[in-house]
Amino acid sequence: LAKTTQPISMDSYEGQEVNITCSHNNIATNDYITWYQQFPSQGPRFIIQGYKTKVTNEVASLFIPADRKSSTLSLPRVSLSDTAVYYCLVGDPRYQKVTFGTGTKLQVIP
Amino acid sequence: DAGVTQSPTHLIKTRGQQVTLRCSPKSGHDTVSWYQQALGQGPQFIFQYYEEEERQRGNFPDRFSGHQFPNYSSELNVNALLLGDSALYLCASSPVTGTGAYEQYFGPGTRLTVT
Repeated sequence: LAKTTQPISMDSYEGQEVNITCSHNNIATNDYITWYQQFPSQGPRFIIQGYKTKVTNEVASLFIPADRKSSTLSLPRVSLSDTAVYYCLVGDPRYQKVTFGTGTKLQVIP
Repeated sequence: DAGVTQSPTHLIKTRGQQVTLRCSPKSGHDTVSWYQQALGQGPQFIFQYYEEEERQRGNFPDRFSGHQFPNYSSELNVNALLLGDSALYLCASSPVTGTGAYEQYFGPGTRLTVT
C-alpha cells in the first residue's frame, strides 16, 4: 500500500489559492489518488479523485505529474469555511486496506 | 437520498463492557467499511464488509467484529472495552460495480467514550 506524505499544517489568507502537495513515491500502476476534507467531529468528505494529468470539479483541481509520484490539490479562493484537515489517499478501497495519514490541517485566516 | 447514517451519535461505556454500533449505507451501495479515528489522528481502517462477509481487515484485535445484513447495513461490535477504544467510529459505504476507482461516502460517526 502506497504511503503518503503531506505537510502537517498550512495557513492561508481568505481569497487566496491554496495548493497542498502529497508525495506518494511507491504508487502502483492501478492506484488512484483521492482527496478528502474533514471538519472536526464529522466524517471525511470526498473532494476529488484522479489517475493522471489534471482533474477539475466545482470545488477543486487535482494536478498529477506524469510520474504520478506526487499530486497537488488546488483550492481556488479559499474562505474561512475551508478550514479543515485534508487527506490524500492512494489506492483503491475496493481491493486494498485504505490508510489515512495524518493529513494537512489548513487554517484560513481572515 | 439519505447518505450514510450511523447510530448512536454518542455513547459512553465502562471499561470491560461491550458495544454495538450501527451503520446504514448510502442507497445503491453494497460495501461498508469501518474506521476508528482517535483524537488528532487520521482514520484507521478496521474492516470492510461485502456480500455479508468480511473481505478485508486492518490491524485490529479480535475484540473488534462486525456483521453485514442482507439489506447492506452493518454493525460493529467491540468486546471487553479498553480506555484506548475511545474514539470516533466512522462508517463508509461505496459501490462495487463500475470500472476504475470510486469514492467512499462517510457517515457522521459515533463518538465512543470509555470510562
